[in-house]
Amino acid sequence: AQSVTQLGSHVSVSEGALVLLRCNYSSSVPPYLFWYVQYPNQGLQLLLKYTSAATLVKGINGFEAEFKKSETSFHLTKPSAHMSDAAEYFCAVSTILLIQGAQKLVFGQGTRLTINP
Amino acid sequence: DAGVIQSPRHEVTEMGQEVTLRCKPISGHNSLFWYRQTMMRGLELLIYFNNNVPIDDSGMPEDRFSAKMPNASFSTLKIQPSEPRDSAVYFCASSLEGKDSPLHFGNGTRLTVT
Repeated sequence: AQSVTQLGSHVSVSEGALVLLRCNYSSSVPPYLFWYVQYPNQGLQLLLKYTSAATLVKGINGFEAEFKKSETSFHLTKPSAHMSDAAEYFCAVSTILLIQGAQKLVFGQGTRLTINP
Repeated sequence: DAGVIQSPRHEVTEMGQEVTLRCKPISGHNSLFWYRQTMMRGLELLIYFNNNVPIDDSGMPEDRFSAKMPNASFSTLKIQPSEPRDSAVYFCASSLEGKDSPLHFGNGTRLTVT
């Protein structure tokens, strides 16, 4: 079964510093991977997704993630953190189902990102 | 598009009462998901539907929980009777078919059972 592990439930960086949020996946088949962001009192929003095209995926708000099959990783990065990036971030993998067209996402436990002024 | 619409945003009820959460997915989306989020367990998938048919309800915690999708534009999650441990934020999400289709989440219903 597919799964994801996010390393670090809390990450704190200074404004302007590099953001690195780690995600490792487990999948017996080529995975589809996603990063979502959740701001306080809101639902999750899609940041970016990997669907077996380019291994470096660019998303919204300056975030990007690189798929590394050899490391089974899909880490999220941003070169320069902004105060507005403070939120919780979730990595997710799409599972394969026997029923055509039906899919579901399995989420990691989330990483809370804090930005220090 | 208005996005996924959930109601109510907040619900406070007493233990033993019935609670009904509602969701209107994005028009045209044929997959619908109910998630529960708590500090202890994180984001848990409760049940999901494809073309209005329940595909997997293995995440539903107990028989007290039930979900329906009578048509493509409406779904409910019911808890009867409610218990304090059901207190959580419940999210509804919808998507198109396909393994690479992202989920679109509603803003959630914060349920407090006293």
